[in-house]
Amino acid sequence: GAGVSQSPSNKVTEKGKDVELRCDPISGHTALYWYRQSLGQGLEFLIYFQGNSAPDKSGLPSDRFSAERTGGSVSTLTIQRTQQEDSAVYLCASSLVGQGALVSEQFFGPGTRLTVL
Amino acid sequence: LAKTTQPISMDSYEGQEVNITCSHNNIATNDYITWYQQFPSQGPRFIIQGYKTKVTNEVASLFIPADRKSSTLSLPRVSLSDTAVYYCLVGDPANAGGTSYGKLTFGQGTILTVHP
Repeated sequence: GAGVSQSPSNKVTEKGKDVELRCDPISGHTALYWYRQSLGQGLEFLIYFQGNSAPDKSGLPSDRFSAERTGGSVSTLTIQRTQQEDSAVYLCASSLVGQGALVSEQFFGPGTRLTVL
Repeated sequence: LAKTTQPISMDSYEGQEVNITCSHNNIATNDYITWYQQFPSQGPRFIIQGYKTKVTNEVASLFIPADRKSSTLSLPRVSLSDTAVYYCLVGDPANAGGTSYGKLTFGQGTILTVHP
């Protein structure tokens, strides 16, 4: 597609259930990022993938959060045993990686709004 | 990673020029300054990026003084559709493949409201 896509756009779940959020980056972008944005707050970095390298997981808030990226393209963010504080918009972004400044521009998807009841 | 400080909110009127200043006192030598715009219910969108002096594109200008400890995003002749949150970020794009740039911190941004 022309841009980053995410699914579902909205997800309502019950506390304790597991959820999976999907991100399809722009074709050819080697870097993929997940962020979380709570209501009225800035973006909180979660995890970063670059090509086939091991991801930087340092932003994941707890061991209930995990993410994978298959074949260097699609990524799935999984939240196990969801809690009410996990309610937020989860944003995915992708970018080219190179030596020039502008190639690091991050292109964001529309996000997945997660509501944990 | 350099921390940024921006005003929480600003108000303006259609047709005016808006200047949003961001402070980044501990910016590193290799860091670039990038601004993003975010509309409600959308992901952020890249506006402009620069290293020093002045950068201009079709939507904005970015002014960076010699000491690089601050930067100013200038939006000429704003319209109602420019109402959004504006984020200032600093980071090293050349290290985008490493961990430092991957840990971009957007902060709370500046809520710009443009009035008729």
